[in-house]
Amino acid sequence: ETGVTQSPTHLIKTRGQQVTLRCSSQSGHNTVSWYQQALGQGPQFIFQYYREEENGRGNFPPRFSGLQFPNYSSELNVNALELDDSALYLCASSLRTGNYGYTFGSGTRLTVV
Amino acid sequence: AQTVTQSQPEMSVQEAETVTLSCTYDTSESDYYLFWYKQPPSRQMILVIRQEAYKQQNATENRFSVNFQKAAKSFSLKISDSQLGDAAMYFCAYRSSSGTYKYIFGTGTRLKVLA
Repeated sequence: ETGVTQSPTHLIKTRGQQVTLRCSSQSGHNTVSWYQQALGQGPQFIFQYYREEENGRGNFPPRFSGLQFPNYSSELNVNALELDDSALYLCASSLRTGNYGYTFGSGTRLTVV
Repeated sequence: AQTVTQSQPEMSVQEAETVTLSCTYDTSESDYYLFWYKQPPSRQMILVIRQEAYKQQNATENRFSVNFQKAAKSFSLKISDSQLGDAAMYFCAYRSSSGTYKYIFGTGTRLKVLA
């Protein structure tokens, strides 16, 4: 059973640029959630995808967008990067409701300069 | 809106001793789920234990157990026989039973284990 894989592990971008982060779900999981974890903080919910459709969204602007593919892998796209977007981005997969908990990846550390 | 509070930014425990991490939450719902996650330096969040609010019995997973006080909205984690590998950030999380299936996390407690 494979876990959740995220790529890349680290990334440095310039303010105003665009970035795409990738996530492969754990085998058998059909739901992917993305979280932003700023330094010293708990993860904040960005959005969730279920069967290729957005299933809920946190308090993040539209320049944060995502996709889920038929194999349940997912992408997080961020346009017009700002300095405050610097954070650890965590992908988590689960069955539909996540009642039994998420399986998290190791995250992508994004630095915006 | 629901909130989760972890009032202990950092805790220390001697190896083989017991430590309790605190978590309180605020909600108007009666049915929900609570979780403790561990985040070691590798950054991957690992599920430690979960509790279903409608179950009065406290969850237990080996050396980890919770004290779930629904009326007080408290959900503390007890780690018995602490080991060096338990050193990590610990996050408490809340998940509603309805609506968006998002988790609401606290700010975390850093646990140090002293040899």
